[in-house]
Amino acid sequence: GAVVSQHPSRVICKSGTSVKIECRSLDFQATTMFWYRQFPKQSLMLMATSNEGSKATYEQGVEKDKFLINHASLTLSTLTVTSAHPEDSSFYICSATPRGGAAGELFFGEGSRLTVL
Amino acid sequence: DAKTTQPPSMDCAEGRAANLPCNHSTISGNEYVYWYRQIHSQGPQYIIHGLKNNETNEMASLIITEDRKSSTLILPHATLRDTAVYYCIVRGHNDYKLSFGAGTTVTVRA
Repeated sequence: GAVVSQHPSRVICKSGTSVKIECRSLDFQATTMFWYRQFPKQSLMLMATSNEGSKATYEQGVEKDKFLINHASLTLSTLTVTSAHPEDSSFYICSATPRGGAAGELFFGEGSRLTVL
Repeated sequence: DAKTTQPPSMDCAEGRAANLPCNHSTISGNEYVYWYRQIHSQGPQYIIHGLKNNETNEMASLIITEDRKSSTLILPHATLRDTAVYYCIVRGHNDYKLSFGAGTTVTVRA
């Protein structure tokens, strides 16, 4: 089946640094990708919609200047957490819809766990 | 806001069927019932979906009531690897911005 891969799966960084997380669709093109974050023992919360070749659309309460999203190709979206702080520690998950795929098809990445010290 | 209601947790014996209920009384005519699960520290995994007819695949069966206000996901023979959080989501086929509720934490015990 279709695969969405995230890299890195785990990252630990110091407070104040920036961290980039990649989301790749390995065997399909994705015009739209979505980014979620999940705090411990909580559900997934949608952060933003990433559209290839255009600016991302952010959900209410998500700072676009802190969570930079780039969707430069049909197979790659990146999320950069800028000036990370401990409260940004979370599990970040992306999802992607195949271009020209069956209605309703949606695939999730394995997630990336960010720990900010 | 999530448009579904699920019990917070459920225990199940290994090898037995697990029946997971979901209420979605405000579902609209063009919305489907989708089920995903999330094993600890992994991304969500698609299980099954349906509109109004019952559905079955290699993972599970989905029973949707005639009025479509509730549904039940059935794992026919639960294994320890089925321990996960199960999310019931109503969505249109072209609605990819998913709203996750708290889901049901299913623990399969030996």
